[in-house]
Amino acid sequence: QSALTQPASVSGSPGQSITISCTGTSSDVGNYNLVSWYQQHPGKAPKLMIYEVSKWPSGVSNHFSGSKSGNTASLTISGLQAEDEADYYCCSYAASNTYVFGTGTKVTVL
Amino acid sequence: QVQLVQSGAEVKKPGASVKVSCKASGYTFASYYMHWVRQAPGQGLEYMGIINPREGNTNYAQKFRDRVSMTRDTSTSTVYMELTSLRSEDTAVYFCAREKPRTFYFDSWGQGTLVTVSS
Repeated sequence: QSALTQPASVSGSPGQSITISCTGTSSDVGNYNLVSWYQQHPGKAPKLMIYEVSKWPSGVSNHFSGSKSGNTASLTISGLQAEDEADYYCCSYAASNTYVFGTGTKVTVL
Repeated sequence: QVQLVQSGAEVKKPGASVKVSCKASGYTFASYYMHWVRQAPGQGLEYMGIINPREGNTNYAQKFRDRVSMTRDTSTSTVYMELTSLRSEDTAVYFCAREKPRTFYFDSWGQGTLVTVSS
């Protein structure tokens, strides 16, 4: 199972919006609405930000939003804040109780 | 509150085995699946497999299928991940992560356990 493809880095100024793409195949992202997104600060465990493509877990700000088209999912951060600077990973269910993660994107707030 | 507390860092020689534990509290242990994910230094997340603590059944990612074993002890609400025939490429932080059955996302994570493989 190959990793989902994400851009290595994305940057933006405070208040701007940025979008991170996550490209898979028809066997994972394209076949299931089961994409989740995780935020990871240096030295910390990942934190769930979005599940089932576009749903928010309790306690997560709605300035994070998710979408999907075909084999590509996307995470948009609106109104970028300093504390959003972190690594972001997408993850998709890939059948037979296995999962595949994205390559990861480093978000920098300028 | 939900807590997943993992065992401490390990240093192992190539060819050895390591067993990492993940102790759960704050919820009904048998009611949630547990997954294992690893992250090599400076690299991304890599999925390893799942254990159903209620029944003990497992499913492993193909890459690890011949070297990994996930078990649980319901009396202590602890899951274990053992990786054998260690090589330098197995140097990584290993995380346990919880899933409410059939939700397909990981809502709580352990703090991570660094396993270093070095001669």
